[in-house]
Amino acid sequence: SAVISQKPSRDICQRGTSLTIQCQVDSQVTMMFWYRQQPGQSLTLIATANQGSEATYESGFVIDKFPISRPNLTFSTLTVSNMSPEDSSIYLCSVPAGSSSYNEQFFGPGTRLTVL
Amino acid sequence: RKEVEQDPGPFNVPEGATVAFNCTYSNSASQSFFWYRQDCRKEPKLLMSVYSSGNEDGRFTAQLNRASQYISLLIRDSKLSDSATYLCVVGGTSYGKLTFGQGTILTVHP
Repeated sequence: SAVISQKPSRDICQRGTSLTIQCQVDSQVTMMFWYRQQPGQSLTLIATANQGSEATYESGFVIDKFPISRPNLTFSTLTVSNMSPEDSSIYLCSVPAGSSSYNEQFFGPGTRLTVL
Repeated sequence: RKEVEQDPGPFNVPEGATVAFNCTYSNSASQSFFWYRQDCRKEPKLLMSVYSSGNEDGRFTAQLNRASQYISLLIRDSKLSDSATYLCVVGGTSYGKLTFGQGTILTVHP
């Protein structure tokens, strides 16, 4: 299984500011995914980060709010922009276990964000 | 209707009990099915994949009924360490997208 790290592990931010979360994988992967887990809720996919092309966003998520970079096959960033308390969540990145769309995914440890 | 629905519980069972979790999904085009486990303040981790033929891993048995769009997980001889949230996860309708149920909380007590 892939080893995935995220930075920061947690942060407390003021409303109106932005935070960039980093995700590093120990092997090259074509696709990386960003999820949000709001307090007491399950995971919701934000977007798919593709290397060499723009990220693909799910319904309800937009690039202006959650810009994503994917500069190479082992790294991605997610920025939470112009934050409000409603953005307080755990943000997780994941990678697929294989090349098939049917594969399970491995998750990073998450970034716990609190917005005051 | 949610894409993946689970009984949120909580389930409180004694050690040694057998407990079953159920899950339904709405998209008949779904191709992959999993149970993940999430411990408090940790990331989800794959417990097992689920196949139409059913599969077993030690004390854990998973079943898939495509006709009914129903997934189950059976845990036998529960251990204290089984206490966690169990997530029913469905994928395969678009590349890489996994859809999570809201999770079922299990607490195993002495």
